[in-house]
Amino acid sequence: EVQLVQSGAEVKKPGESLKISCKGSGYRFTSYWIGWVRLMPGKGLEWMGIIYPGDSDTRYSPSFQGHVTISADKSISTAYLQWSSLKASDTAMYYCARLLGITSFDYWGQGTLVTVSS
Amino acid sequence: DIVLTQSPLSLPVTPGEPASISCRSSQSLLHSTGNNFLDWYLHKPGQSPQLLIYLGSNRASGVPDRFSGSGSGTDFTLRISRVEAEDVGVYYCMQALQPLYTFGQGTKLEIQ
Repeated sequence: EVQLVQSGAEVKKPGESLKISCKGSGYRFTSYWIGWVRLMPGKGLEWMGIIYPGDSDTRYSPSFQGHVTISADKSISTAYLQWSSLKASDTAMYYCARLLGITSFDYWGQGTLVTVSS
Repeated sequence: DIVLTQSPLSLPVTPGEPASISCRSSQSLLHSTGNNFLDWYLHKPGQSPQLLIYLGSNRASGVPDRFSGSGSGTDFTLRISRVEAEDVGVYYCMQALQPLYTFGQGTKLEIQ
């Protein structure tokens, strides 16, 4: 069974750093792109970026380029999303999802709620 | 960038009745392979989003056959033949033609 299990909810202060994770199981982790999607309160889904764990090829949405870093450790089948300096506007639910081919997110993690507040 | 425009944004439906959602793209989503790079997702309250329809008209695994997708190029439609209470949530179309995936604004389906 394909599963993506994300790390737990986080509460951080502005300016702090954060790294959340997404662990894949039940399939060959290195053979599928993993994407990250943001859902801000009261807003819609936004694609942030994708990574191919096999060679760490990474693509970012221009809206998120420079604001977050996506990485992966294929030895433990885990993808990451990190911030070096959080802002209150980063408060959101973040989902990882597996890409079927290059077109469709067929399996999703349960989401990680990030709250940034002073 | 490709812009997806969904309508309506709010969709009150009586159980057992049909429903449809439109998704219009600012550019054609027809790929050289002959496939339309357009998906539909449902985000139910308290759950993760789920893939309903991929490549315009293909139902994802486990998706009830009351859901169907149609369209080509710039105009796409998601249809629910008979809405059930469990279908409430926000429906999104998403394009994958360009490396920059984009979602529509979302359509909130509610039971009336």
